Amino acid sequence: GESVGLHLPTLSVQEGDNSIINCAYSNSASDYFIWYKQESGKGPQFIIDIRSNMDKRQGQRVTVLLNKTVKHLSLQIAATQPGDSAVYFCAENIENTDKLIFGTGTRLQVFP
Amino acid sequence: GAGVSQSPRYKVAKRGQDVALRCDPISGHVSLFWYQQALGQGPEFLTYFQNEAQLDKSGLPSDRFFAERPEGSVSTLKIQRTQQEDSAVYLCASSNRGTTYTGELFFGEGSRLTVL
Repeated sequence: GESVGLHLPTLSVQEGDNSIINCAYSNSASDYFIWYKQESGKGPQFIIDIRSNMDKRQGQRVTVLLNKTVKHLSLQIAATQPGDSAVYFCAENIENTDKLIFGTGTRLQVFP
Repeated sequence: GAGVSQSPRYKVAKRGQDVALRCDPISGHVSLFWYQQALGQGPEFLTYFQNEAQLDKSGLPSDRFFAERPEGSVSTLKIQRTQQEDSAVYLCASSNRGTTYTGELFFGEGSRLTVL
């Protein structure tokens, strides 16, 4: 399949370690944020979302943190596994619009 | 099928040819989106349908790009007189939300267009 993100920032972690992927979003009017995972040759897959009235949300092995003051979003993955290797995108939804604006992505590489 | 289906998965076109890309959304999903993803970039919004109505086409890069969803289900993205800069993966996504909150989008695997 095609390779997604040939020139993306890369985070390399060892299996079992925790991963933190960061994202700066652009629009202070954004009120909804999503993290997507994209494996090579596939479409983005929803991981977790958060609305602007929250600053933290937890899922299974994943946590999203939102800092609206500095327009920063992070994704924490606990006990990272080889299957987590992919490109991760944050996306923002500007209030009262229908479109998601995606960030440039971060490649996560997990080593055994 | 259970997911969003796109065809063809791969398309090679000569510059100047017209192409049509098809999207079968998840059955019953009201909202349908098209995104363009260049190599090494995040997806960029092209257009949005709610049922058969095209509510936003602000992301279409030129009048060579046209999308339709005549019966509120299957959608087709057509690119006329293709140019090399049109080379990208075209992603379709659907959602069961009918509001402006995008909610969880379910993406297809994309149609990779290469224009020679």
